[in-house]
Formats: sequence, structure tokens, C-alpha cells
Amino acid sequence: SAVISQKPSRDICQRGTSLTIQCQVDSQVTMMFWYRQQPGQSLTLIATANQGSEATYESGFVIDKFPISRPNLTFSTLTVSNMSPEDSSIYLCSSTGGRTDTQYFGPGTRLTVL
Amino acid sequence: GNSVTQMEGPVTLSEEAFLTINCTYTATGYPSLFWYVQYPGEGLQLLLKATKADDKGSNKGFEATYRKETTSFHLEKGSVQVSDSAVYFCALRLTGGGNKLTFGTGTQLKVEL
Repeated sequence: SAVISQKPSRDICQRGTSLTIQCQVDSQVTMMFWYRQQPGQSLTLIATANQGSEATYESGFVIDKFPISRPNLTFSTLTVSNMSPEDSSIYLCSSTGGRTDTQYFGPGTRLTVL
Repeated sequence: GNSVTQMEGPVTLSEEAFLTINCTYTATGYPSLFWYVQYPGEGLQLLLKATKADDKGSNKGFEATYRKETTSFHLEKGSVQVSDSAVYFCALRLTGGGNKLTFGTGTQLKVEL
């Protein structure tokens, strides 16, 4: 199984600022995803991070608010831009690929916006 | 559209009790079905999966059977332990759906001595 790490594990930010979350996978993977888990809620897919091209965003999420990079097959970043308290959530990175199509998740980044 | 419905929590059980967490789905096509578990302060871990009708996924004493006729994938365990206390998520993935997962709302399980 893929081992996924995320940095930072948590942060407290002021409204109007931006935070970039990093996701590192220990092996080359085909697909990487970013999810949001709002307090007491389920996971919602933000976007699929595509290597070498623009991310594919789900309905309700836009690139200006959540720019994503994926410079290679093991690394991706998600930026939460111009934050407001409504962006307070856990942001999770996941990946699939290699020998299995099972999707594995990182430990998440807990973001609090004041 | 595609969706997953789980029973609401929290579910509180005594140790060694029998557990059932209901999950039903709506999907176009034939999805693969998953149960993920999220222990306190941790990320999601895959618990078990089933990829076609009548398949039974099992792991750590948990089981779930893919029931196409009732569009269900209920999670069961014969004897729960305190260490099973966590949030359990049912999810589906459509074949050819780009590996996207659709999650249920999660069910919190609390197991007490």
C-alpha cells in the first residue's frame, strides 16, 4: 500500500491569507486527489490532481480558490486561497495506482481559519 | 446521481456486542463498494472492499456483502472491542469513473466496557 504524508498536519490561519498543503507519496502513483472534510461531515472531492496538466475540479470548486500543482508522480500541493472561516476543514490527499486501484489517504491537514 | 446513505450515529455498544452499520447506495452502472475507518485524530484507512455482486469483503473481524438486489453493503462485526471506536465511512466507486470515490456521511461508533 502507498504511504502518504501531508504537511502541515494542522494550522491556524487568519482570514484573507492563503495556505499551501503538501502531499508526498512514497511511490509513483497514477492518480492523486484532494478531499475536504468539513466539521462533522463526510468527505467531498475537491479535484483530481493531474501530472503535467491542470487539475480537474468538481462542481462547486474552482481553481482560483483551490489552485493545485502536481509537478511529478509522487507530489502534489493544494492551496486554499483568500481563506474565510468557512474554509475550516480537514483537507485530505489520496492516491491510487501502482499494483492496485485501491485509494489510500494521507493523515489530513486540519485547518482552522479565524 | 450517485450517492451513499449510511445510518446516522453515534452508535454506542458494549464490548463484545454485535455490530451492524447499514449502508445503501444509488449508482448508475455497477460500482465497487468500500468501507473506510477513521480512528480519532487519524486519516482514513481502507477497511474492506467488494467489487461485484455477492462478493464479501472482510478484514479484522469486519464483514460486508455486496447485495445488488437491495443495493446494500452493510458492515457487520460479531464482537466489537473498545479499540473499534472510530468513524466508519461507506463509499462507492464507479467503473470508469476516474477512480473517484463517493462517500456516505459516516457513522461514529463508540464501544464501552
